[in-house]
Amino acid sequence: DAEITQSPRHKITETGRQVTLACHQTWNHNNMFWYRQDLGHGLRLIHYSYGVQDTNKGEVSDGYSVSRSNTEDLPLTLESAASSQTSVYFCASSGGSTRTYEQYFGPGTRLTVT
Amino acid sequence: ILNVEQSPQSLHVQEGDSTNFTCSFPSSNFYALHWYRWETAKSPEALFVMTLNGDEKKKGRISATLNTKEGYSYLYIKGSQPEDSATYLCASLLNDYKLSFGAGTTVTVRA
Repeated sequence: DAEITQSPRHKITETGRQVTLACHQTWNHNNMFWYRQDLGHGLRLIHYSYGVQDTNKGEVSDGYSVSRSNTEDLPLTLESAASSQTSVYFCASSGGSTRTYEQYFGPGTRLTVT
Repeated sequence: ILNVEQSPQSLHVQEGDSTNFTCSFPSSNFYALHWYRWETAKSPEALFVMTLNGDEKKKGRISATLNTKEGYSYLYIKGSQPEDSATYLCASLLNDYKLSFGAGTTVTVRA
């Protein structure tokens, strides 16, 4: 069965370190998204990609970067981790326009920055 | 940033009772509305994608309606069961791909 996975599931890191969160999907979806979940805010979009070599900033992109070298993967990098980036991160993918296609979410990565 | 609001923030329902809650969004430049169900310790799962004014969608005991002219959608749960306990997220589409999520309504069904 097709799926979307994230790794690691839990991560503790120190302020200032670079951290990369992995997202891998086997749906063969062109569209991939990274969100963060914070209390009272729901899910907020960090970055998204419409296809290989395409990346775009979301509403909370400062301090984060992504790259898309193939269809299956969209790793999220925190360039220099800050305590404000402690959160739960969700990756999602969709097979077409979000006008008609739902997004499929990964299991999430809980990141703690100390 | 599109302001999507959900109310109430949380509600408790007795098993067997029906309930409903609201998602409101700016009605200008409407593209689509998504509903997701999010159980504790799991990831959000899609319930409905709605695009047309007057749309009604149903999945089992859960249904949703959409009013794009006034900017709201209702989600209904009929005959609530403990397995319906979850946070229900709505999200409005900003363009072809970007969703703006509300903070969710957390439903707790008491046996």
